[in-house]
Amino acid sequence: KAGVTQTPRYLIKTRGQQVTLSCSPISGHRSVSWYQQTPGQGLQFLFEYFSETQRNKGNFPGRFSGRQFSNSRSEMNVSTLELGDSALYLCASSLEDSKKLFFGSGTQLSVL
Amino acid sequence: DQQVKQNSPSLSVQEGRISILNCDYTNSMFDYFLWYKKYPAEGPTFLISISSIKDKNEDGRFTVFLNKSAKHLSLHIVPSQPGDSAVYFCAASVNQAGTALIFGKGTTLSVSS
Repeated sequence: KAGVTQTPRYLIKTRGQQVTLSCSPISGHRSVSWYQQTPGQGLQFLFEYFSETQRNKGNFPGRFSGRQFSNSRSEMNVSTLELGDSALYLCASSLEDSKKLFFGSGTQLSVL
Repeated sequence: DQQVKQNSPSLSVQEGRISILNCDYTNSMFDYFLWYKKYPAEGPTFLISISSIKDKNEDGRFTVFLNKSAKHLSLHIVPSQPGDSAVYFCAASVNQAGTALIFGKGTTLSVSS
């Protein structure tokens, strides 16, 4: 069974731009979560989607948004990029109501 | 304010010996705890979990202990192997929070042969 796939693997953007990251969950997993990892703050929860609905949201500004499609694939968008948005963005999928998350390898975003 | 703390950034252990990784939490509402390990350039991988109604859970070489009164959990790896060298994250969750896990900042385990 294929794992969680995230694209692109690396991304370089400049301040003020926007970016869209993509995540394909494990087949059969309907829950998709997004996390941000930085050296200073560690892994922080962004949001969770289940059946195309945002089920939970972390403490991030409105510039961070996401969506989930009917095939459970998910995208997250960051608008008006700031230098502090440079991070590894991790997507995770899970079976319904399971906290056992399966993570992708992440998208490394660098904002210059 | 960190709700989940891993106070040891690193730990070095010899192959065959026991590795003990520690984690403290402050939120008494947490009712489910997990350990993940992460190799460079990969996402975290689930290792083992424990519900707050238990005080111990074993899976092969890995055992997690939970002390609710002390708000402390630990991961024991016996025996440690060089392939266990990775960053270990402790995570906690409240039942109603879905997949919103609160992670510690990680402990880097180095197992030497």
